Amino acid sequence: KAGVTQTPRYLIKTRGQQVTLSCSPISGHRSVSWYQQTPGQGLQFLFEYFSETQRNKGNFPGRFSGRQFSNSRSEMNVSTLELGDSALYLCASRAGAGETQYFGPGTRLLVL
Amino acid sequence: GESVGLHLPTLSVQEGDNSIINCAYSNSASDYFIWYKQESGKGPQFIIDIRSNMDKRQGQRVTVLLNKTVKHLSLQIAATQPGDSAVYFCAENSKGIGGSNYKLTFGKGTLLTVNP
Repeated sequence: KAGVTQTPRYLIKTRGQQVTLSCSPISGHRSVSWYQQTPGQGLQFLFEYFSETQRNKGNFPGRFSGRQFSNSRSEMNVSTLELGDSALYLCASRAGAGETQYFGPGTRLLVL
Repeated sequence: GESVGLHLPTLSVQEGDNSIINCAYSNSASDYFIWYKQESGKGPQFIIDIRSNMDKRQGQRVTVLLNKTVKHLSLQIAATQPGDSAVYFCAENSKGIGGSNYKLTFGKGTLLTVNP
């Protein structure tokens, strides 16, 4: 099976812009979670989607949003970008609750 | 509140030695723990997991130990190889909104360096 894929892999934006990142889960996986990874804060949970519904959400401002499509592919959006949003954004999928999460390679976002 | 922390941010070992990476967690309700390995430029890679009804689980060259009494988790790597050099994260799986059993909380990570 193909693993979790994320696009784009690298992105450069300027403050105030918005960005959309995409994630395709492992085939058959209905759950997609998003994480932000920075050197200072480590891996932080953003949100999880299951069958197009957000099931849980981390402590991030409303500028961070996401959605999931009927084919389980997911997108996350960050509006009004700030310098502190520069990070590696990771997507992970799993078959169901309590199952192992498998990560994609991440999208590295740089905000100038 | 929930937290998962690592005792050692860096660990340097000689090739062939055994490595032990430790992790403390604070959510006693967590019922599932996972170790991930992250190499530079890549996403975290699943290594091994353990459920809270177990205290030990072995994989290929890796063993995870869970001590629920002191809320401690460790990853042991036998005969460490240069390819094991990476950042290792422990994560605990805790219930989210509505009881869905899933949110992963990660520790800060330990950088393992294997010297040839």
